[in-house]
Amino acid sequence: KAGVTQTPRYLIKTRGQQVTLSCSPISGHRSVSWYQQTPGQGLQFLFEYFSETQRNKGNFPGRFSGRQFSNSRSEMNVSTLELGDSALYLCASSGGASAEAFFGQGTRLTVV
Amino acid sequence: KQEVTQIPAALSVPEGENLVLNCSFTDSAIYNLQWFRQDPGKGLTSLLLIQSSQREQTSGRLNASLDKSSGRSTLYIAASQPGDSATYLCAVLERGGGNKLTFGTGTQLKVEL
Repeated sequence: KAGVTQTPRYLIKTRGQQVTLSCSPISGHRSVSWYQQTPGQGLQFLFEYFSETQRNKGNFPGRFSGRQFSNSRSEMNVSTLELGDSALYLCASSGGASAEAFFGQGTRLTVV
Repeated sequence: KQEVTQIPAALSVPEGENLVLNCSFTDSAIYNLQWFRQDPGKGLTSLLLIQSSQREQTSGRLNASLDKSSGRSTLYIAASQPGDSATYLCAVLERGGGNKLTFGTGTQLKVEL
């Protein structure tokens, strides 16, 4: 059974650019959540998508957005990148009554 | 607002020692609690999940307990090995909150030869 796949693994972008990250959940899981991890703030929740609808949203500016497709794959987009957006972005896939979360390997975004 | 705290922030122990990592949370209305391991620059690996109705879970040398009423969980690692060196994170899933996890800040563990 394949795990959670995030692409790309590494990205370097310039301030002001935009970026799109992708996450493919475990087969059969309909929930995908995104988290930002930085040394100073730890792991912070960005948003959750369930069956193509945003179900939860964290406290991030509108530059951070996401979507989910009918096959449950999800993308997150960050527009007008700032230096402070440099972080490890993790996505989690959840399903079943236990709601156990499984994480991908993350995308390391560096903004220069 | 749920807050999760982990103590200690860092821990260094000799190989073979048994150790306990602590996690506390402020709102007891949780659905479950998960313990994760994170190696540097990598994603999170799920170690143990405890449902709110359970008291403990075991997997190999790992044992996690949950005391929901006091807002505490512990992760017990028996006979630690250098390969156990990593950051350990606990996270709670609240009832009615979808699948939003609230994480602690982690315990960075180093097991020395």
